[in-house]
Amino acid sequence: DVKVTQSSRYLVKRTGEKVFLECVQDMDHENMFWYRQDPGLGLRLIYFSYDVKMKEKGDIPEGYSVSREKKERFSLILESASTNQTSMYLCASSLSQGAITYTFGSGTRLTVV
Amino acid sequence: AQKITQTQPGMFVQEKEAVTLDCTYDTSDQSYGLFWYKQPSSGEMIFLIYQGSYDEQNATEGRYSLNFQKARKSANLVISASQLGDSAMYFCAMREFLYGQNFVFGPGTRLSVLP
Repeated sequence: DVKVTQSSRYLVKRTGEKVFLECVQDMDHENMFWYRQDPGLGLRLIYFSYDVKMKEKGDIPEGYSVSREKKERFSLILESASTNQTSMYLCASSLSQGAITYTFGSGTRLTVV
Repeated sequence: AQKITQTQPGMFVQEKEAVTLDCTYDTSDQSYGLFWYKQPSSGEMIFLIYQGSYDEQNATEGRYSLNFQKARKSANLVISASQLGDSAMYFCAMREFLYGQNFVFGPGTRLSVLP
């Protein structure tokens, strides 16, 4: 089975800190995604990547950036964390653009204080 | 624009009974897929079932079935013979395929199965 691993289950950071959320997948998937999940809003797409060094903005990219230097790794970066970025962050991957579904990681619950 | 509506923030069901989780969607595309994901307390999103817009038969996967009514734009999830392990958040999602669009998720329904 494809495994998507997020490096931290829980993180607490201070306002203004630079935060890195790491995601690694082990099955050579082309596409990787970052979502944030908030109660009553479901999952919203932040950024995605179809290939190494490629990135596309999702629905809510403001305040975030991403990096994909290797195919298996997709990092989400909060340049200057703010309290409104307190959320659950989910990484996902899919084999290709035509793939029916995604495989998700277990999520990182980020609290910014 | 794509949109998913799940009107039930929370649902309760007795163990061994069936339950229906509602989902309506909005799209102008003809080619799309509808999905249901389960999120237990562990946080991982688990794919349950998929229905393509051109599929004439309702999708089934074990105890899960998708009641697809295209004219009404609804894609309700039916869980038969509920088990305690079914307690989780359930998300309805859609992808439009014509331009390779990404998933749009609904707000979710929290299902609690009572012993």
